[in-house]
Amino acid sequence: DAGITQSPRYKITETGRQVTLMCHQTWSHSYMFWYRQDLGHGLRLIYYSAAADITDKGEVPDGYVVSRSKTENFPLTLESATRSQTSVYFCAGSPRNATEAFFGQGTRLTVV
Amino acid sequence: AQSVAQPEDQVNVAEGNPLTVKCTYSVSGNPYLFWYVQYPNRGLQFLLKYITGDNLVKGSYGFEAEFNKSQTSFHLKKPSALVSDSALYFCAVRGNTNAGKSTFGDGTTLTVKP
Repeated sequence: DAGITQSPRYKITETGRQVTLMCHQTWSHSYMFWYRQDLGHGLRLIYYSAAADITDKGEVPDGYVVSRSKTENFPLTLESATRSQTSVYFCAGSPRNATEAFFGQGTRLTVV
Repeated sequence: AQSVAQPEDQVNVAEGNPLTVKCTYSVSGNPYLFWYVQYPNRGLQFLLKYITGDNLVKGSYGFEAEFNKSQTSFHLKKPSALVSDSALYFCAVRGNTNAGKSTFGDGTTLTVKP
């Protein structure tokens, strides 16, 4: 939606493996975010970025790494996947000085 | 710190009746408040927001919300519910000095029965 594309849509991985979730935007949003959605917890912010090469931790950053070398891409890497990281992951973008966020379709990650 | 509470996990209404989905918040500074809707297997879609000005804000699909500063609430309302309004609704807040980072509630599932 609104130019945010996530891939893959579904992923199954094994415990201990590294996995990268991709997020690409076509609208040049300044801000980009990664959230995870778990039943009973709503959406929790993992990492966010205010611009290329500027990233910062959110509420639940442990076990995750992000990078933003280009404005349009904001990949999220699980360095060593754990079962507790089974979740639905959403990438979102927001223009500078705007307020609402625009979300991708989500990636459903299962760690077995 | 900022936080959002959606006190009802589930709201059930009959089609044609008015609906209310409740949200209260806590934030430093002036609040930016949002409602999003999520349909099954989809990302969140923006419905409406309060930034400043009129306390009653109107959004997509006939939804509206009222900002109440004294009660720190931002309840979502619609005068006449449709079956197609059935979805998961999220309230979100951020302080005007907390650039970009919104905090979401746990969500409220709205079910509209024919």
